[in-house]
Amino acid sequence: ETGVTQSPTHLIKTRGQQVTLRCSSQSGHNTVSWYQQALGQGPQFIFQYYREEENGRGNFPPRFSGLQFPNYSSELNVNALELDDSALYLCASSMGASGPDWDTQYFGPGTRLTVL
Amino acid sequence: SQQGEEDPQALSIQEGENATMNCSYKTSINNLQWYRQNSGRGLVHLILIRSNEREKHSGRLRVTLDTSKKSSSLLITASRAADTASYFCAATPYNTDKLIFGTGTRLQVFP
Repeated sequence: ETGVTQSPTHLIKTRGQQVTLRCSSQSGHNTVSWYQQALGQGPQFIFQYYREEENGRGNFPPRFSGLQFPNYSSELNVNALELDDSALYLCASSMGASGPDWDTQYFGPGTRLTVL
Repeated sequence: SQQGEEDPQALSIQEGENATMNCSYKTSINNLQWYRQNSGRGLVHLILIRSNEREKHSGRLRVTLDTSKKSSSLLITASRAADTASYFCAATPYNTDKLIFGTGTRLQVFP
């Protein structure tokens, strides 16, 4: 098991609402990436944070936003929820350019979001 | 859209047999990583192979990488029922840190 934790495990929201998902990175990791995995598909990159700054973004609209805190934990915020936002949201942490394992991304268990 | 493709989409074998999964990607990469996922839960990292490596082993896993063909394969030897899961390859495009995942292979190992 990795040291990456996510909360909550499951969440049900209605269309138009806003949601905040949380991720605690593995000890010693300063980079957090977020992915969306729709049912039956591979995960898709949303964005990455390195030392509290956004460090790359995938093809997701601005209503997907994030934060990284000084302890390197992170939040994913989604505004104006749509039915298609229903998915498993995964965060992954990595060491960010230090050590022999620096680019391996370790994933948390995910948050299952259902939008009704 | 996803960059990687995997085949087969599904694979069913008996315990003790070997399982081979193939992955193709589209751009130059820094590395390629393989992950396992059980029943829609989190991804478990299996192995990372860098662009200057051709083959890597970890326990019962053997990964190959052919950058000229932009392809990789994962071999699981002497499979076990506990290996039943979905397997994903994920490429890290050159000069980025993001992972571009394939479509996944669903492996079923029967006792």
